[in-house]
Amino acid sequence: GESVGLHLPTLSVQEGDNSIINCAYSNSASDYFIWYKQESGKGPQFIIDIRSNMDKRQGQRVTVLLNKTVKHLSLQIAATQPGDSAVYFCAENFSYDKVIFGPGTSLSVIP
Amino acid sequence: GAVVSQHPSRVICKSGTSVKIECRSLDFQATTMFWYRQFPKKSLMLMATSNEGSKATYEQGVEKDKFLINHASLTLSTLTVTSAHPEDSSFYICSAGTSGSQETQYFGPGTRLLVL
Repeated sequence: GESVGLHLPTLSVQEGDNSIINCAYSNSASDYFIWYKQESGKGPQFIIDIRSNMDKRQGQRVTVLLNKTVKHLSLQIAATQPGDSAVYFCAENFSYDKVIFGPGTSLSVIP
Repeated sequence: GAVVSQHPSRVICKSGTSVKIECRSLDFQATTMFWYRQFPKKSLMLMATSNEGSKATYEQGVEKDKFLINHASLTLSTLTVTSAHPEDSSFYICSAGTSGSQETQYFGPGTRLLVL
């Protein structure tokens, strides 16, 4: 079946550096993508989303890039902080808001 | 943003008993709610889509008689794990959306179930 996947299962970055988390998706018909942050023992927290008619969207310290040609999604976190340590999931929103999650990337920030 | 709550946050039960988990949208009406389960260090796996006033739609491989879902109102969906076994131990998470269009899903804090 079609799925959303990630290139890197773990990522360690130095505090203050920029982080880039990548995601590959396989459903070419998907037109809405979301990044979630999940801290240990908690539910996913919305970070940023992007629709397929865009290739870039910026939030506060975060940027999502979408490359539909190669079906690739990335999340960039600027000036990474210890509080950014968590598992990050890209997700694909199907019809009627059904969200399918990728396998996740664990981000560890080194003080 | 919209708030979704779950109750209980943690539950321990004996094998063979049933456990009910509640998911509530606190400040909005949710026509659709979703139930996920998550094993340690794994991703969230969608179990079922809960529609207010109608039967839930289950994902392939999820037993509907094992995981009973009721969505009796626009603010409440319940998941009942029937005759729970140790392999049902997991983190159960619900989410809620406001309409059938592509809108952000809001997630609950999750319920940790441990079956002894």
